Amino acid sequence: AQSVTQLGSHVSVSEGALVLLRCNYSSSVPPYLFWYVQYPNQGLQLLLKYTTGATLVKGINGFEAEFKKSETSFHLTKPSAHMSDAAEYFCAVSEDFGNEKLTFGTGTRLTIIP
Amino acid sequence: GAGVSQSPSNKVTEKGKDVELRCDPISGHTALYWYRQSLGQGLEFLIYFQGNSAPDKSGLPSDRFSAERTGGSVSTLTIQRTQQEDSAVYLCASSLRGMNTGELFFGEGSRLTVL
Repeated sequence: AQSVTQLGSHVSVSEGALVLLRCNYSSSVPPYLFWYVQYPNQGLQLLLKYTTGATLVKGINGFEAEFKKSETSFHLTKPSAHMSDAAEYFCAVSEDFGNEKLTFGTGTRLTIIP
Repeated sequence: GAGVSQSPSNKVTEKGKDVELRCDPISGHTALYWYRQSLGQGLEFLIYFQGNSAPDKSGLPSDRFSAERTGGSVSTLTIQRTQQEDSAVYLCASSLRGMNTGELFFGEGSRLTVL
């Protein structure tokens, strides 16, 4: 069975600082990995995804994530935080790309300090 | 419609009452999902509909929960005899299976409060 662990339910960074949100997964087959973002009072939207190929994937708003099989990780980073990045971030895994049935982590709430 | 639409956006009910939550997916999307978002619990998968196939109900927490999807479009999630632990945000998502994008499109959710 697949699972996702997000370390840190709350992360605070200063504006302009590096953002690092951690995600580790467990999967019995090569996984498909996703990061979704939920802004206040909005639905979740896809930030980026890893399916096959290049292990460093880039998403919207300057975010990127690297799939590291040896570490079973898919951490999300952004070099310089912006106030508008304040949101909740969810890592998700799927073992069956076709049905998009995702298993989500518990989420990390990112706060940006002015 | 342009996006996934859910109603009501907020529902307050008394313990023991039945509630119905509605989801209108993006037009043409063949797959529809219900998730539950509880404080500190992340997103919990409830049920998945794909075309005319039998739904995947493996995530429904009890037999008080049921869902249907009529005409391959609108879906209704029904919770019977609500309990306080049912309080959560219920999220609906849709996708166009076969596009191999892995992307779910979410509605804004229905916040259920059981008193």
